[in-house]
Amino acid sequence: DVKVTQSSRYLVKRTGEKVFLECVQDMDHENMFWYRQDPGLGLRLIYFSYDVKMKEKGDIPEGYSVSREKKERFSLILESASTNQTSMYLCASSISTPGSYEQYFGPGTRLTVT
Amino acid sequence: KNQVEQSPQSLIILEGKNCTLQCNYTVSPFSNLRWYKQDTGRGPVSLTIMTFSENTKSNGRYTATLDADTKQSSLHITASQLSDSASYICVVSAGNTDKLIFGTGTRLQVFP
Repeated sequence: DVKVTQSSRYLVKRTGEKVFLECVQDMDHENMFWYRQDPGLGLRLIYFSYDVKMKEKGDIPEGYSVSREKKERFSLILESASTNQTSMYLCASSISTPGSYEQYFGPGTRLTVT
Repeated sequence: KNQVEQSPQSLIILEGKNCTLQCNYTVSPFSNLRWYKQDTGRGPVSLTIMTFSENTKSNGRYTATLDADTKQSSLHITASQLSDSASYICVVSAGNTDKLIFGTGTRLQVFP
């Protein structure tokens, strides 16, 4: 079974703090994604990566950065957390074989910025 | 603009009953459509994935249909169980990319 794990289930940070959210997958997937999920808005893509050290902006990258130093690990960084970044953050991974569409999600990290 | 709309927003049914959730999309070019189940406080888990040529796909008590002409999909749940209580999210993939367009979900509650 594919396993995607996230470093924390719940996180509380103060405004202005630097926040790291870690995601690890154990299936040697090339593609990894970071989403945020807010009530009434559905999941929105923040950043994604198709390979080590490679990153692409998603739909809402402002205020975020990412790092992918190893294939299995994809980190989301909030350089200076703000209250409007309070949200559920979901990591996902997928294999890059054409026609293979499955994205596997982690359990999520609920971040509260006060 | 690529969009996925789901209805109803929420639904309450009694255990053992059937229900149908709806998804309409305006995504072009269409690649595939997925239904995910998301338990409260958890990540989404895939139920079905359908490409353009498929119009029905089942996964146990879950049956998804796809009408690519009208750009509509439905998820039918048979003989509901308490464990079916969750949000069900319709997701469409555009073109030949791995970028997904998410609906806002239908929140289903099954009561005994």
